[in-house]
Amino acid sequence: GQNIDQPTEMTATEGAIVQINCTYQTSGFNGLFWYQQHAGEAPTFLSYNVLDGLEEKGRFSSFLSRSKGYSYLLLKELQMKDSASYLCAVRDERTYNTDKLIFGTGTRLQVFP
Amino acid sequence: DSGVTQTPKHLITATGQRVTLRCSPRSGDLSVYWYQQSLDQGLQFLIQYYNGEERAKGNILERFSAQQFPDLHSELNLSSLELGDSALYFCASSAETGGGETQYFGPGTRLLVL
Repeated sequence: GQNIDQPTEMTATEGAIVQINCTYQTSGFNGLFWYQQHAGEAPTFLSYNVLDGLEEKGRFSSFLSRSKGYSYLLLKELQMKDSASYLCAVRDERTYNTDKLIFGTGTRLQVFP
Repeated sequence: DSGVTQTPKHLITATGQRVTLRCSPRSGDLSVYWYQQSLDQGLQFLIQYYNGEERAKGNILERFSAQQFPDLHSELNLSSLELGDSALYFCASSAETGGGETQYFGPGTRLLVL
């Protein structure tokens, strides 16, 4: 079956660093995405990992270990506007001819002053 | 603004009714995806179209159907609506498909079935 696990909620302080973990068990794997979603709004793309290692993009970084079925999203220098849900999504390898994504339920991050 | 547009933004209807949600992808994107997001669930993939043809299907109910037109806009039809169909419906688009393309999401249609 397909299973993607993320913590439901996290809290952090402005200026701090937070790591949001995602573990997945899917029939296949062909890439992992992180999206940010503010309440009631559209998800917006943050990062994409298909090979093991760290991808850095400004204050956000994403890490992938395919052998462990594990990824994390690292947010540095947290700002109040980073309060949002963070969605982990996996592209199932079997869907090679499509980009159908399987989403986790998301991690709601609250940043406090 | 992702460049993906969806109409209407809000829709209130009654059980048993039928509604049509509309999506226009980003300019040049050939692929359109539909997702459902309920309060207690994450984004659930419904269906994907690529250049007018159905490419992948998720757990889409038989009461739901979709199509992509020659101008690449897409419509999601929901019929015999039930209370449990109340949700946010997102459309996303990508340039191509099959290569790990990034999906860009529209603002969503919030459907409330009373």
